[in-house]
Amino acid sequence: DGGITQSPKYLFRKEGQNVTLSCEQNLNHDAMYWYRQDPGQGLRLIYYSQIVNDFQKGDIAEGYSVSREKKESFPLTVTSAQKNPTAFYLCASSPFGGHQPQHFGDGTRLSIL
Amino acid sequence: AQKVTQAQTEISVVEKEDVTLDCVYETRDTTYYLFWYKQPPSGELVFLIRRNSFDEQNEISGRYSWNFQKSTSSFNFTITASQVVDSAVYFCALSETNRDDKIIFGKGTRLHILP
Repeated sequence: DGGITQSPKYLFRKEGQNVTLSCEQNLNHDAMYWYRQDPGQGLRLIYYSQIVNDFQKGDIAEGYSVSREKKESFPLTVTSAQKNPTAFYLCASSPFGGHQPQHFGDGTRLSIL
Repeated sequence: AQKVTQAQTEISVVEKEDVTLDCVYETRDTTYYLFWYKQPPSGELVFLIRRNSFDEQNEISGRYSWNFQKSTSSFNFTITASQVVDSAVYFCALSETNRDDKIIFGKGTRLHILP
């Protein structure tokens, strides 16, 4: 079945450590997105990519980095510069153009040890 | 300024009751899109509906219905004869034409359906 796969489901980070969250889609979508969800805060956009080898900062990009080397993959790295990384991270994808609905993965919950 | 406001943080109703989730949005665009998503306890967001700004017809899908009123900048969502499986967080969202297909989400309404 087509969909978005995020891994791992749970992730723990030590102080000063970078961690990478995986997001893979087989929907042949051009656009991919990363969101951060905190309790009572809704979803906030971290980074998005509309095409391979190109990406743009969202509203809360500081302390995060991404790459888009393949259409299917859009990994997110939470760097040690992100001082409050504990959150639920959601990856999404959509066809580019026409404001199509985004399809979401199951999310990764990141916690600090 | 918040562009999508879901004033109801949390709602609890007894099963079989009808419940309406409110959504008020703010935009200067004449063309825009509105969405509703459901987030069950498992965590993924499930798309429910997309409506463009030129289509003000109400929509019904089974027990779900949506009321779009441009005059009040509202896009409310009603669940008729609620069921326990409707328990989730529901997000209203807006996509403006000048924002690269990005979606702005409200903070969500947590809905509890009590058996």
